[in-house]
Amino acid sequence: DAGVIQSPRHEVTEMGQEVTLRCKPISGHDYLFWYRQTMMRGLELLIYFNNNVPIDDSGMPEDRFSAKMPNASFSTLKIQPSEPRDSAVYFCASSTDRVKLFFGSGTQLSVL
Amino acid sequence: DAKTTQPPSMDCAEGRAANLPCNHSTISGNEYVYWYRQIHSQGPQYIIHGLKNNETNEMASLIITEDRKSSTLILPHATLRDTAVYYCIVRVRTSTGNQFYFGTGTSLTVIP
Repeated sequence: DAGVIQSPRHEVTEMGQEVTLRCKPISGHDYLFWYRQTMMRGLELLIYFNNNVPIDDSGMPEDRFSAKMPNASFSTLKIQPSEPRDSAVYFCASSTDRVKLFFGSGTQLSVL
Repeated sequence: DAKTTQPPSMDCAEGRAANLPCNHSTISGNEYVYWYRQIHSQGPQYIIHGLKNNETNEMASLIITEDRKSSTLILPHATLRDTAVYYCIVRVRTSTGNQFYFGTGTSLTVIP
């Protein structure tokens, strides 16, 4: 099993541009989580899905952020328009039981 | 609000046991304690979890006090690869369920 796959690994963009982060969960996992990590705030839960349905998006910072899960093997996190304060590492994780989460390697986002 | 308190950093000699403490004085009777670790530039990795009995697996042991207000993660023979940030987590209740919220963790450095 390849584990949770995230792309791109690094993203550098200019303020105001749209950014799309992608995640492929582990096959058979029906929970998918998006986390953001910064030095100031640590790891924050943004949103999570169960069976492709968004369950809790209370961590999504504002309307510029949106997440979708069109099928069991793919999810996106979109930021439009991006701002410098969105610079962070974004992690996707999947799980079968919400106990043992398997994290991807993350996407390092830099908004200039 | 991560609901846990951990020392910000610790050192441990290679080959010795690393004992990482965590206080969770507000834990409720049915809440588990979870431990994850994050090696530099990687996503967090599940280590172990427990309710009130001590737990052991191939990675570590978890000792939970009888009053459940604190716990200790033990890495019996620390290696250089165990250098990481270790997170002690108690789920936080939200309107849509119980979620992991990672605090700032303990940065463990294993010294040769």
